[in-house]
Amino acid sequence: QSALTQPASVSGSPGQSITISCTGTSSDVGGYNYVSWYQQHPGKAPKLMIYEVSHRPSGVSNRFSGSKSGNTASLTISGLQAEDEADYYCNSYTSSSTRVFGGGTKVTVL
Amino acid sequence: QVQLQESGPGLVKPSETLSLTCTVSGGSISNYYWSWIRQPAGKGLEWIGRVYTSGITNYNPSLKSRVTMSVDTSKNQFSLKLTSVTAADTAVYYCARDYYGGDIWGQGTMVTVSS
Repeated sequence: QSALTQPASVSGSPGQSITISCTGTSSDVGGYNYVSWYQQHPGKAPKLMIYEVSHRPSGVSNRFSGSKSGNTASLTISGLQAEDEADYYCNSYTSSSTRVFGGGTKVTVL
Repeated sequence: QVQLQESGPGLVKPSETLSLTCTVSGGSISNYYWSWIRQPAGKGLEWIGRVYTSGITNYNPSLKSRVTMSVDTSKNQFSLKLTSVTAADTAVYYCARDYYGGDIWGQGTMVTVSS
């Protein structure tokens, strides 16, 4: 299985909105509504931010939102804050009953 | 609340078997899938596989020939074995509860493959 495709980096100024894309195939992202997004700060374990494409776990800011169109899922962070600077990974269930991660996107707050 | 803790050797020799255990505390291990994920230094996350409490497993095809996962419900633990390791297997290894893909993660444990 091939890793999902994410941009290596995305940046924005405080208060702006940014969107991270995650592109797969009809055998993973496009075939199931089981896409999740993770935030990882340096030296820390990943934290679940979005599950099942667009659902936020309890405690996650509503500045984080998810969506999907075809084989591409997206994570949008609105009202960008300094604490949002981190690496972000998407993950999808696949037709082989496995999961696959994206390559990760480094978000920089300018 | 449920917490996960990885344990195992931090150093493994090339060609030998990497063995890690994840202990689940604060809740039951039953009726969930449990995953292993790894991350080489400076690189992205790689999904290794998952095991259900009944013993059903799903593995990353690229690692399938070398991976075995198991569950011990009596100890509230699940385990990973990776055989014939090389330097490319050096990474931080995370265990996670595979609910919504991974809602609870351990802190990770660094495993270095070196003679």
